[in-house]
This record gives sequence, C-alpha cells and structure tokens, in this order.
Amino acid sequence: GQQLNQSPQSMFIQEGEDVSMNCTSSSIFNTWLWYKQDPGEGPVLLIALYKAGELTSNGRLTAQFGITRKDSFLNISASIPSDVGIYFCAGQLRDNYGQNFVFGPGTRLSVLP
Amino acid sequence: ETGVTQTPRHLVMGMTNKKSLKCEQHLGHNAMYWYKQSAKKPLELMFVYNFKEQTENNSVPSRFSPECPNSSHLFLHLHTLQPEDSALYLCASSQEGRIGTDTQYFGPGTRLTVL
Repeated sequence: GQQLNQSPQSMFIQEGEDVSMNCTSSSIFNTWLWYKQDPGEGPVLLIALYKAGELTSNGRLTAQFGITRKDSFLNISASIPSDVGIYFCAGQLRDNYGQNFVFGPGTRLSVLP
Repeated sequence: ETGVTQTPRHLVMGMTNKKSLKCEQHLGHNAMYWYKQSAKKPLELMFVYNFKEQTENNSVPSRFSPECPNSSHLFLHLHTLQPEDSALYLCASSQEGRIGTDTQYFGPGTRLTVL
C-alpha cells in the first residue's frame, strides 16, 4: 500500500533554533495534514493543506503542500521546550478509485534548553 | 481538549479477559474511527463508521469488535487478545467519513497492555 516517509526520524535542537522536517511519498495526495503528539496523548492537528503549492502558517509553524503533491514540509521557528513531541504527517487521497488515509512514522523532536 | 474523549486511559488485561474501550465525541461529527498505534509503527486505521454504519474494516482480527450505537459514541470490544495487541488505541472523529477530504480530530487514546 501507500507509504509516507518522514525525515529526519528524530532530531535534537537547541531552544531558539528553527526546525525543518519533511514528508515524502511515491504517491500523490490531495490533502496533507500535520499532527503533533505529546507523550500519552492523541495526535493534535496543527496544519491542514488542501492545494498543491499552498503555504500555511499557524503561529510559529509553517507548512507547505509540495507542487508535485507527493511531499510536504513543516517548519517551526524559534523552538521552545513545549515543541517537544512527535510530529506526524498524514496524506489523504480521495478519487474515483477509492479513498486512502495514511500516516507517516513520525519525527521525534527534542528541544534542549 | 479536542472534543473527543476516551475511557479508560489505561487498561491492563489478561488474554482471557473481555473488556471494552469507549469513545465519545462532542463535536457534532458523523464519522468515527478506531486506530492502533504500536511502538515504532505508523498509525494503523482499524475501523471507520459513518452515520453509525461501518464503512471500513482494514482486515482487523475478529477479537476486536467495534460498535457504534449513535454518531457520538464508539466502542471497541476486546476478547481473547494477544500480547502483540498491546498498543495505544486512538479514536477520532470527523464531520463525515469521507477519507480524503475530512479532517480527523483525535482523542487522547487508551493505553492497552495485554499480559
């Protein structure tokens, strides 16, 4: 089936640094979502992207829907300790052949004070 | 708070036990979902209910039995589970069960341990 790859798998950064992570697939999607999951909690939606090329911000977070529809990236500016967690991308595709919703394996972010 | 609640938050059960997980959404959505999250594996979609009707069953073993009495409540009945079924079970809801266009909102999950 369709799979998403996320990179990096994990990263350690200093507080105040900017962060960039991405999500790629061999298949196209028509929606990309970014979620954050804190330990012991469910994923919380951060940003939803619905159009190729779309660039959307949510506070210090910025995400873009790749032109090829096969990738997306998430940037976090001026990281703070509460940014720690696992960031998941998810791709959604609904077309005449059916529907699919796939999560990536996640990027684990650690922020050092 | 996402408007989706799950109980219990933690559950330990033996392989011969029968237990149920409960999910409730307060968002007025019409679709609800069960996911399994195992360590080091992507989230796996298990079941989808749309307007109380099951529309997806991703080859889930019969020892997992979902029930959706109304659009706001979803249960996952468990019986004769295996240790490899230990995982975080997440519930989600969306406006309609159109995977591909509807954004899903997740509950906090139930951490299940099977001994």
